[in-house]
Amino acid sequence: AQSVTQLDSHVSVSEGTPVLLRCNYSSSYSPSLFWYVQHPNKGLQLLLKYTSAATLVKGINGFEAEFKKSETSFHLTKPSAHMSDAAEYFCALNQAGTALIFGKGTTLSVSS
Amino acid sequence: GAVVSQHPSRVICKSGTSVKIECRSLDFQATTMFWYRQFPKKSLMLMATSNEGSKATYEQGVEKDKFLINHASLTLSTLTVTSAHPEDSSFYICSLSRSGTYEQYFGPGTRLTVT
Repeated sequence: AQSVTQLDSHVSVSEGTPVLLRCNYSSSYSPSLFWYVQHPNKGLQLLLKYTSAATLVKGINGFEAEFKKSETSFHLTKPSAHMSDAAEYFCALNQAGTALIFGKGTTLSVSS
Repeated sequence: GAVVSQHPSRVICKSGTSVKIECRSLDFQATTMFWYRQFPKKSLMLMATSNEGSKATYEQGVEKDKFLINHASLTLSTLTVTSAHPEDSSFYICSLSRSGTYEQYFGPGTRLTVT
């Protein structure tokens, strides 16, 4: 069975400080992994994806994530938080052609 | 990427009525479509998967007679919530994918409120 665990339900940072959102996964196969962001009352926006190419993936808005098979992790990072980064973040995985399995989400708060 | 639209974006209906939500792919033919449901401050839960030319496959616990899914064409899928009740109030999101690929393209979602 496949699953995604987001280790923190809520992360609070100050503007200009680094962001770390943690995600661990479980899969019998080599999955593809994704990070999505959702602003209030909006749909999902893809930040980045890993599909068995480079293990360090760069996404939009300065976010990046590193796939670590030995740790079954795919943590999302950003060097410097911006107020506009405050949102809900979802880690997800799937195999080709199948539905995404989502983590429970992490709420990122950014204070000035 | 791909452009996916959902209509309506927001709907309020009375208990006992039915509501149809459309999901359209505007620039590619989607062989597979997914419908997700998201409760407030919760994650997305898969409701059903539909492949063009076949009936939808529903996840455990999702009533297929209540949530009717029609993969009408390679660019259109509809979700009809029949005899809606207040507990059906939720955010419904569709996604589309090309055959054999990993990436999914999400619609902007439909906020359903049943009074």
